[in-house]
Amino acid sequence: GAGVSQSPSNKVTEKGKDVELRCDPISGHTALYWYRQSLGQGLEFLIYFQGNSAPDKSGLPSDRFSAERTGGSVSTLTIQRTQQEDSAVYLCASSRGTGHTGELFFGEGSRLTVL
Amino acid sequence: SQQGEEDPQALSIQEGENATMNCSYKTSINNLQWYRQNSGRGLVHLILIRSNEREKHSGRLRVTLDTSKKSSSLLITASRAADTASYFCATVSSGGSYIPTFGRGTSLIVHP
Repeated sequence: GAGVSQSPSNKVTEKGKDVELRCDPISGHTALYWYRQSLGQGLEFLIYFQGNSAPDKSGLPSDRFSAERTGGSVSTLTIQRTQQEDSAVYLCASSRGTGHTGELFFGEGSRLTVL
Repeated sequence: SQQGEEDPQALSIQEGENATMNCSYKTSINNLQWYRQNSGRGLVHLILIRSNEREKHSGRLRVTLDTSKKSSSLLITASRAADTASYFCATVSSGGSYIPTFGRGTSLIVHP
């Protein structure tokens, strides 16, 4: 595809349910990032994948959050037992990943609302 | 934690005026990037400036970097209503982390 694709664009769920958010990065981009943006706030780093290396999970806020990247391409962010404070826009970005980080290409985000 | 912090938090100007936004950061960087976000959309990369550069231009955008003061500025000249958006700086540290750290952003409103 031409850009980073995220789905669903909107997700409303009940507290305690699990959700999965998907990110399809730009073809050939080896680096993939997940960020979270709460209303009117900046971007909070969650997790970073680079090629076949072990992901950097240092930004995940709790063990209810996990992510995987299959075949070095599509990534899924899973939030278990959702809480109201998980409500936010979840943004995925990819980059070429060579050397120090250059331009990130962002998807349109998945807006999660936990009732 | 936030590395870059933008200032001001909000800026309201008339079309045709210049808009200046500032970003301060704490640790040594490899590069600093500016992004734009329209309401409800993803972020779009505007410009990247490396630690050994002092100024870069792209169209109506001018970015400066002062590593001694750990600060950067984004100048938008001859602003247009379509420039209304939030603007974020992101820093990539020189310490080996490849994770851009974003500030809280400046909300710019350009009145027609």
